[in-house]
Amino acid sequence: GENVEQHPSTLSVQEGDSAVIKCTYSDSASNYFPWYKQELGKRPQLIIDIRSNVGEKKDQRIAVTLNKTAKHFSLHITETQPEDSAVYFCAARGRGDQFYFGTGTSLTVIP
Amino acid sequence: DTGVSQDPRHKITKRGQNVTFRCDPISEHNRLYWYRQTLGQGPEFLTYFQNEAQLEKSRLLSDRFSAERPKGSFSTLEIQRTEQGDSAMYLCASSSERRLAGYTFGSGTRLTVV
Repeated sequence: GENVEQHPSTLSVQEGDSAVIKCTYSDSASNYFPWYKQELGKRPQLIIDIRSNVGEKKDQRIAVTLNKTAKHFSLHITETQPEDSAVYFCAARGRGDQFYFGTGTSLTVIP
Repeated sequence: DTGVSQDPRHKITKRGQNVTFRCDPISEHNRLYWYRQTLGQGPEFLTYFQNEAQLEKSRLLSDRFSAERPKGSFSTLEIQRTEQGDSAMYLCASSSERRLAGYTFGSGTRLTVV
């Protein structure tokens, strides 16, 4: 099956700086890559996604890039704010209909 | 309520007891998924339904676990003879097969086996 690796596991940035989280996947058939934000004690919430026929997608301060050849994708958050502090998970949809999640990145934005 | 609902939110049970969780998906979503999340990890796939048919099961789903979706609407996940290792957050999610999109997760049921 698919194997998704995520780095770093923890990330601290100063408010206003950018944050980058990287993921790699193993199955070249994977065609959809969502990113979820999970605050403590709450459900994962979809924040952005990208399909395999697109190289980059942006939504305000959040962007995702995909390199199919290298099988990696990244989340970029610009102008970080304290409310961006949370755990972020990447995921890949493989040959079946399930998502394979990374192990998460705990982002702390320091005011 | 237009979200995914899960009940109960928390469950504490003694080892060896059986527990059952319920998930009500978004009404127009015909796909329903169960995931398990332990502390510090991403969600792990357990099983999913398309309408009432259970289409895929993970190897994580031992014979003590069973899931049903009898009428293609709500689903139940039962764990028999609970073990301490079953302690986790059990997340339900739903989606529509008509579009390739991310899941909408429920708030989860946190199970603690003591």
